Amino acid sequence: EVHLVESGGGLAQPGGSLRLSCAASGFTFRNYAMTWVRQAPGKGLEWVSGISGSDDSAFYTNSVRGRFTISRDNSKNMVYLQMNGLRADDTAVYYCAKGGDESCYSRADYWGQGTLVTVSS
Amino acid sequence: DIVMTQSPDSLAVSLGERATINCKSSQSVLYSSNNKNYLAWYQQKPGQPPKLLIYWASTRESGVPDRFSAGGSGTDFTLTISSLQAEDVAVYYCQQYYSVPFTFGPGTKVDIK
Repeated sequence: EVHLVESGGGLAQPGGSLRLSCAASGFTFRNYAMTWVRQAPGKGLEWVSGISGSDDSAFYTNSVRGRFTISRDNSKNMVYLQMNGLRADDTAVYYCAKGGDESCYSRADYWGQGTLVTVSS
Repeated sequence: DIVMTQSPDSLAVSLGERATINCKSSQSVLYSSNNKNYLAWYQQKPGQPPKLLIYWASTRESGVPDRFSAGGSGTDFTLTISSLQAEDVAVYYCQQYYSVPFTFGPGTKVDIK
Protein backbone atom coordinates (compact mmCIF):
# COMPACT_ATOMS: atom_id res chain seq x y z
CA GLU A 1 0.00 0.00 0.00
CA VAL A 2 1.33 3.41 -0.97
CA HIS A 3 1.97 5.67 1.99
CA LEU A 4 3.16 9.28 1.93
CA VAL A 5 3.85 11.18 5.14
CA GLU A 6 4.81 14.85 5.12
CA SER A 7 6.60 16.62 7.92
CA GLY A 8 8.43 19.85 8.60
CA GLY A 9 5.60 22.33 8.45
CA GLY A 10 5.05 24.97 11.07
CA LEU A 11 5.28 28.69 11.71
CA ALA A 12 7.95 30.70 9.90
CA GLN A 13 8.65 34.40 9.78
CA PRO A 14 8.54 36.31 6.51
CA GLY A 15 11.90 35.86 4.83
CA GLY A 16 12.54 32.71 6.81
CA SER A 17 13.08 29.11 5.74
CA LEU A 18 11.52 25.72 6.24
CA ARG A 19 12.36 22.30 4.88
CA LEU A 20 9.49 19.95 4.17
CA SER A 21 10.07 16.22 4.01
CA CYS A 22 7.96 13.44 2.59
CA ALA A 23 8.56 9.81 3.51
CA ALA A 24 7.32 7.37 0.89
CA SER A 25 6.64 3.66 1.14
CA GLY A 26 4.74 0.90 -0.63
CA PHE A 27 6.20 1.38 -4.12
CA THR A 28 9.54 1.41 -5.96
CA PHE A 29 10.34 5.00 -5.18
CA ARG A 30 13.02 5.64 -7.79
CA ASN A 31 10.62 4.70 -10.60
CA TYR A 32 8.18 7.54 -9.97
CA ALA A 33 8.19 11.30 -10.13
CA MET A 34 7.19 13.18 -6.99
CA THR A 35 5.28 16.42 -6.69
CA TRP A 36 4.44 19.10 -4.15
CA VAL A 37 1.02 20.73 -4.35
CA ARG A 38 -0.23 23.39 -1.94
CA GLN A 39 -3.61 24.66 -0.85
CA ALA A 40 -4.02 28.01 0.86
CA PRO A 41 -6.73 28.13 3.55
CA GLY A 42 -10.14 27.93 1.92
CA LYS A 43 -8.64 28.04 -1.58
CA GLY A 44 -7.99 25.70 -4.47
CA LEU A 45 -5.04 23.53 -5.38
CA GLU A 46 -1.77 24.94 -6.70
CA TRP A 47 0.97 22.80 -8.22
CA VAL A 48 4.30 23.91 -6.73
CA SER A 49 7.11 21.67 -7.91
CA GLY A 50 7.92 18.26 -9.34
CA ILE A 51 10.98 16.05 -9.68
CA SER A 52 11.47 13.06 -11.94
CA GLY A 53 12.14 9.59 -10.61
CA SER A 54 15.76 9.61 -11.71
CA ASP A 55 16.28 13.08 -10.21
CA ASP A 56 17.40 14.53 -13.54
CA SER A 57 14.50 16.92 -14.00
CA ALA A 58 12.93 19.39 -11.63
CA PHE A 59 10.28 22.00 -12.29
CA TYR A 60 8.71 24.87 -10.36
CA THR A 61 5.78 27.18 -10.56
CA ASN A 62 6.77 30.75 -11.33
CA SER A 63 6.03 32.18 -7.89
CA VAL A 64 8.48 29.87 -6.09
CA ARG A 65 11.25 29.51 -8.67
CA GLY A 66 14.51 30.73 -7.15
CA ARG A 67 13.17 30.46 -3.60
CA PHE A 68 12.16 26.78 -3.33
CA THR A 69 14.25 23.73 -4.18
CA ILE A 70 12.91 20.23 -4.61
CA SER A 71 15.17 17.24 -4.11
CA ARG A 72 14.93 13.54 -3.47
CA ASP A 73 17.01 10.78 -1.91
CA ASN A 74 16.18 7.52 -3.67
CA SER A 75 18.21 5.56 -1.13
CA LYS A 76 15.95 6.79 1.68
CA ASN A 77 12.64 7.03 -0.23
CA MET A 78 12.41 10.69 0.68
CA VAL A 79 11.50 13.85 -1.17
CA TYR A 80 12.16 17.33 0.17
CA LEU A 81 11.09 20.89 -0.44
CA GLN A 82 13.53 23.51 0.81
CA MET A 83 11.64 26.77 1.11
CA ASN A 84 13.62 30.00 1.49
CA GLY A 85 12.52 33.61 1.40
CA LEU A 86 9.09 32.67 2.67
CA ARG A 87 6.24 35.10 2.14
CA ALA A 88 2.78 35.39 3.65
CA ASP A 89 1.25 34.06 0.44
CA ASP A 90 3.19 30.81 0.86
CA THR A 91 0.88 29.99 3.78
CA ALA A 92 -0.84 26.74 2.84
CA VAL A 93 -1.18 23.05 3.42
CA TYR A 94 1.57 21.39 1.41
CA TYR A 95 0.80 17.99 -0.05
CA CYS A 96 3.33 15.48 -1.27
CA ALA A 97 2.05 13.38 -4.17
CA LYS A 98 3.33 10.44 -6.17
CA GLY A 99 3.44 10.66 -9.93
CA GLY A 100 1.94 8.07 -12.21
CA ASP A 101 5.29 7.27 -13.79
CA GLU A 102 8.95 8.34 -13.87
CA SER A 103 8.24 11.55 -15.75
CA CYS A 104 6.97 14.71 -14.10
CA TYR A 105 4.46 14.94 -16.96
CA SER A 106 2.03 12.68 -15.20
CA ARG A 107 -0.99 12.66 -12.93
CA ALA A 108 -0.66 12.58 -9.13
CA ASP A 109 -2.09 9.23 -8.14
CA TYR A 110 -1.44 9.13 -4.38
CA TRP A 111 -1.37 11.99 -1.92
CA GLY A 112 -0.19 12.48 1.62
CA GLN A 113 -2.31 14.10 4.32
CA GLY A 114 -0.41 17.36 4.05
CA THR A 115 1.60 19.60 6.36
CA LEU A 116 0.60 23.15 7.25
CA VAL A 117 3.03 26.00 6.63
CA THR A 118 2.15 29.34 8.17
CA VAL A 119 4.21 32.42 7.34
CA SER A 120 3.57 35.23 9.76
CA SER A 121 5.41 37.63 12.02
CA ASP B 1 0.94 29.30 -18.31
CA ILE B 2 -2.11 27.27 -19.29
CA VAL B 3 -5.19 28.65 -17.59
CA MET B 4 -7.81 26.12 -16.53
CA THR B 5 -11.41 27.18 -16.04
CA GLN B 6 -14.30 25.15 -14.68
CA SER B 7 -18.05 25.54 -14.83
CA PRO B 8 -20.20 25.77 -12.93
CA ASP B 9 -18.56 27.02 -9.73
CA SER B 10 -21.01 24.88 -7.80
CA LEU B 11 -24.01 22.69 -8.41
CA ALA B 12 -26.63 20.90 -6.36
CA VAL B 13 -28.05 17.67 -7.69
CA SER B 14 -30.67 15.30 -6.30
CA LEU B 15 -29.52 11.89 -5.17
CA GLY B 16 -29.48 9.51 -8.12
CA GLU B 17 -29.41 12.29 -10.67
CA ARG B 18 -26.62 13.21 -13.08
CA ALA B 19 -23.97 15.83 -12.37
CA THR B 20 -21.79 17.27 -15.12
CA ILE B 21 -18.73 19.46 -14.65
CA ASN B 22 -16.95 21.25 -17.47
CA CYS B 23 -13.27 22.08 -17.70
CA LYS B 24 -11.62 24.23 -20.34
CA SER B 25 -7.93 24.86 -20.95
CA SER B 26 -6.55 28.04 -22.52
CA GLN B 27 -4.55 25.93 -24.97
CA SER B 28 -4.69 22.37 -26.16
CA VAL B 29 -3.39 19.68 -23.80
CA LEU B 30 -3.45 17.04 -26.52
CA TYR B 31 0.04 15.76 -27.30
CA SER B 32 0.01 14.86 -30.96
CA SER B 33 2.86 12.33 -30.85
CA ASN B 34 0.93 9.93 -28.58
CA ASN B 35 -2.62 11.27 -29.06
CA LYS B 36 -3.08 11.63 -25.30
CA ASN B 37 -4.78 14.46 -23.47
CA TYR B 38 -2.70 15.41 -20.42
CA LEU B 39 -5.72 16.08 -18.22
CA ALA B 40 -6.69 14.65 -14.82
CA TRP B 41 -9.67 14.98 -12.51
CA TYR B 42 -9.49 14.92 -8.72
CA GLN B 43 -12.06 14.76 -5.94
CA GLN B 44 -11.45 16.48 -2.62
CA LYS B 45 -13.71 15.95 0.36
CA PRO B 46 -13.58 18.33 3.33
CA GLY B 47 -10.52 17.82 5.51
CA GLN B 48 -9.01 15.27 3.13
CA PRO B 49 -6.30 15.34 0.48
CA PRO B 50 -7.33 15.16 -3.16
CA LYS B 51 -8.02 11.79 -4.72
CA LEU B 52 -7.29 10.95 -8.34
CA LEU B 53 -10.40 9.96 -10.29
CA ILE B 54 -9.47 10.19 -13.97
CA TYR B 55 -6.27 10.59 -15.98
CA TRP B 56 -5.48 10.90 -19.71
CA ALA B 57 -8.84 12.73 -19.77
CA SER B 58 -10.93 9.56 -19.73
CA THR B 59 -9.10 6.70 -17.97
CA ARG B 60 -10.71 5.86 -14.66
CA GLU B 61 -8.27 5.26 -11.82
CA SER B 62 -8.37 1.79 -10.27
CA GLY B 63 -11.07 1.53 -7.61
CA VAL B 64 -13.05 4.55 -8.77
CA PRO B 65 -16.75 3.71 -9.16
CA ASP B 66 -17.97 3.47 -12.74
CA ARG B 67 -20.59 6.14 -12.14
CA PHE B 68 -17.65 8.53 -12.69
CA SER B 69 -16.82 9.05 -16.35
CA ALA B 70 -15.00 11.72 -18.26
CA GLY B 71 -14.24 12.76 -21.79
CA GLY B 72 -13.22 15.52 -24.12
CA SER B 73 -10.15 16.42 -26.11
CA GLY B 74 -7.95 19.37 -26.90
CA THR B 75 -9.28 22.19 -24.77
CA ASP B 76 -12.75 21.04 -23.63
CA PHE B 77 -13.40 18.32 -21.09
CA THR B 78 -16.23 17.02 -18.93
CA LEU B 79 -16.58 14.94 -15.78
CA THR B 80 -19.90 13.19 -15.28
CA ILE B 81 -21.30 11.52 -12.20
CA SER B 82 -24.10 9.42 -13.64
CA SER B 83 -26.05 8.84 -10.43
CA LEU B 84 -25.02 11.10 -7.56
CA GLN B 85 -24.46 9.42 -4.22
CA ALA B 86 -24.21 11.11 -0.82
CA GLU B 87 -20.51 10.25 -0.63
CA ASP B 88 -19.84 12.20 -3.85
CA VAL B 89 -20.29 15.54 -2.08
CA ALA B 90 -16.91 17.16 -2.68
CA VAL B 91 -14.98 19.70 -4.69
CA TYR B 92 -13.81 18.47 -8.06
CA TYR B 93 -10.70 19.82 -9.80
CA CYS B 94 -9.30 19.34 -13.27
CA GLN B 95 -5.55 19.63 -13.84
CA GLN B 96 -3.41 19.78 -16.94
CA TYR B 97 -0.02 18.09 -16.86
CA TYR B 98 0.90 18.99 -20.44
CA SER B 99 2.94 22.10 -19.69
CA VAL B 100 4.80 23.36 -16.62
CA PRO B 101 3.39 24.71 -14.36
CA PHE B 102 0.80 21.96 -14.15
CA THR B 103 -2.18 24.14 -13.40
CA PHE B 104 -5.45 23.23 -11.70
CA GLY B 105 -8.89 24.56 -12.37
CA PRO B 106 -10.54 26.58 -9.58
CA GLY B 107 -12.76 23.69 -8.55
CA THR B 108 -16.45 22.86 -8.71
CA LYS B 109 -18.35 22.18 -5.51
CA VAL B 110 -20.96 19.43 -5.75
CA ASP B 111 -23.76 19.23 -3.18
CA ILE B 112 -27.00 17.37 -2.68
CA LYS B 113 -30.19 19.21 -3.61
